[in-house]
Amino acid sequence: DAGVIQSPRHEVTEMGQEVTLRCKPISGHNSLFWYRQTMMRGLELLIYFNNNVPIDDSGMPEDRFSAKMPNASFSTLKIQPSEPRDSAVYFCASRLPRGGYTEAFFGQGTRLTVV
Amino acid sequence: RKEVEQDPGPFNVPEGATVAFNCTYSNSASQSFFWYRQDCRKEPKLLMSVYSSGNEDGRFTAQLNRASQYISLLIRDSKLSDSATYLCVVYGGGATNKLIFGTGTLLAVQP
Repeated sequence: DAGVIQSPRHEVTEMGQEVTLRCKPISGHNSLFWYRQTMMRGLELLIYFNNNVPIDDSGMPEDRFSAKMPNASFSTLKIQPSEPRDSAVYFCASRLPRGGYTEAFFGQGTRLTVV
Repeated sequence: RKEVEQDPGPFNVPEGATVAFNCTYSNSASQSFFWYRQDCRKEPKLLMSVYSSGNEDGRFTAQLNRASQYISLLIRDSKLSDSATYLCVVYGGGATNKLIFGTGTLLAVQP
């Protein structure tokens, strides 16, 4: 298995532009998480899905952020409009929700810079 | 109060030292617990799960104290390759079962 695949790996964009981050979870995993990591705040959970349904989006910072999971093999995180304070590494992770002790596997992340 | 709290460090220790990291969590209904390791500019990866009875994997020992809502990780005989950020992770404990990460503790093992 190729693991969790995220794209792009790096994104540099101008303030005000729309940014779309993509994630392909591991096949068969039906829980998917989006995290944002910064030096100041560490890894913050933005949203997570079970069986393609958003379960908890309380970590989404504001209306500029939206996430979708149209099918079991694809999810997007969109920022519109982007702002410099959105600069961070965005990770996607997937796991099997088979009880509590199952490992979450992370993608390599998307390093977003908004200038 | 943060849901999962860790001392950010850094912990600077010589090779061969024993080092311990602590973590506290706020939700008493949390179900399961983990330690993840993150190398610089890489994604987090599972180091070990933390079971109620405590568990050991080679030089690494994890302990859980549910009464105090406290998790620990002990690393014996530190190696240079142990240098990384160690993330305490808590799962579950509510209507929406979430996987919550602490901010991590940075370990630097010195030669």
